[in-house]
Amino acid sequence: EAEVAQSPRYKITEKSQAVAFWCDPISGHATLYWYRQILGQGPELLVQFQDESVVDDSQLPKDRFSAERLKGVDSTLKIQPAELGDSAMYLCASSPRRGVGEQFFGPGTRLTVL
Amino acid sequence: GESVGLHLPTLSVQEGDNSIINCAYSNSASDYFIWYKQESGKGPQFIIDIRSNMDKRQGQRVTVLLNKTVKHLSLQIAATQPGDSAVYFCAETYSSGGYNKLIFGAGTRLAVHP
Repeated sequence: EAEVAQSPRYKITEKSQAVAFWCDPISGHATLYWYRQILGQGPELLVQFQDESVVDDSQLPKDRFSAERLKGVDSTLKIQPAELGDSAMYLCASSPRRGVGEQFFGPGTRLTVL
Repeated sequence: GESVGLHLPTLSVQEGDNSIINCAYSNSASDYFIWYKQESGKGPQFIIDIRSNMDKRQGQRVTVLLNKTVKHLSLQIAATQPGDSAVYFCAETYSSGGYNKLIFGAGTRLAVHP
């Protein structure tokens, strides 16, 4: 069964350092999403891609976060510099069409900033 | 693995009983709703969905009810099993800028006792 892949699964870093997360969506899925999930809350959308283009990054803290999906397949989310408040689970999801229907989630990357 | 939903409301049920998890959504323009199950240390997993032109949909052991008048969703799980223990999120979808946005609710933790 096809799955969304994410790496690393866990990341511990010190504040002010740079971190990067990688996501490989299900093959053929045009839409890719990055979510942030703070412990005890539901996931919140950070950025949405349609193929290689960003279609929604209204909730992405652009002073320190960046995301790219250069070839419209896999994607990288970067934080530089990391802050204590960035500690959270970062989830990647994909869907086959323009955000219509089910989104398939990866296992997430748990980030701890010390 | 770490715990998802440390501060979420908890529903405790006995194994074999039926469970009902409730959710209020916010946007009257939302036209598609999904229930997700999230186990500790994992990404959300699709359970069942329903479109706004329906008020009930059944799956295997699960039923979703939609009341658009009061903007309320419920998830019913029949014959609850220990493997059903997880955090459950409802999510609403509405169109924005030509793309569908998925907004998660706060979540409920289901604890199944033998």
